[in-house]
Amino acid sequence: QQPVQSPQAVILREGEDAVINCSSSKALYSVHWYRQKHGEAPVFLMILLKGGEQKGHEKISASFNEKKQQSSLYLTASQLSYSGTYFCGTVNNAGNMLTFGGGTRLMVKP
Amino acid sequence: DAGVIQSPRHEVTEMGQEVTLRCKPISGHDYLFWYRQTMMRGLELLIYFNNNVPIDDSGMPEDRFSAKMPNASFSTLKIQPSEPRDSAVYFCASSPIQVNTEAFFGQGTRLTVV
Repeated sequence: QQPVQSPQAVILREGEDAVINCSSSKALYSVHWYRQKHGEAPVFLMILLKGGEQKGHEKISASFNEKKQQSSLYLTASQLSYSGTYFCGTVNNAGNMLTFGGGTRLMVKP
Repeated sequence: DAGVIQSPRHEVTEMGQEVTLRCKPISGHDYLFWYRQTMMRGLELLIYFNNNVPIDDSGMPEDRFSAKMPNASFSTLKIQPSEPRDSAVYFCASSPIQVNTEAFFGQGTRLTVV
């Protein structure tokens, strides 16, 4: 079952902040976040593991509430390059299945 | 490594025809995933393999869809017969150890069934 993301779309001005939420109805082992530019493949942003470990490559932060099976991605002081579609991917408790949500379209305007 | 390689990049076919999408994962990766992307449903997981063995195909929409992974370096997704509602972008992704590492996506195949 796919995780649910909200909002579906958001428009920001450069420098503004945004939060993207992801929730699952099933117990999770980890949450992944990816960003996809138009016409391109999704690109990895970060992984949040059970127990609080976080691995990421960019200056974008996220949280993972294991009990509520929810994750949030925090985009602060947004830049034009942040525009794209953000996907959360959830890994089931067995640790062997990566399922993505419907995506959140983010547009940052000058 | 060249990354995950998918072919063809674009495919236009007539309704009723057989379509085969191909994927070469990154060498050494144990997991291979097939996803379908549409505006309405986002990225849907169709099927995934672990060490060439299909683990979960519950996302395959109908019997018209089938996937194989004959060896560690090649996988196919076949649609027979194809229908206009199959039009979408199909992504293949591979991962070394799924749980705590990233998945690497291919560039996708844009399928149009007319």
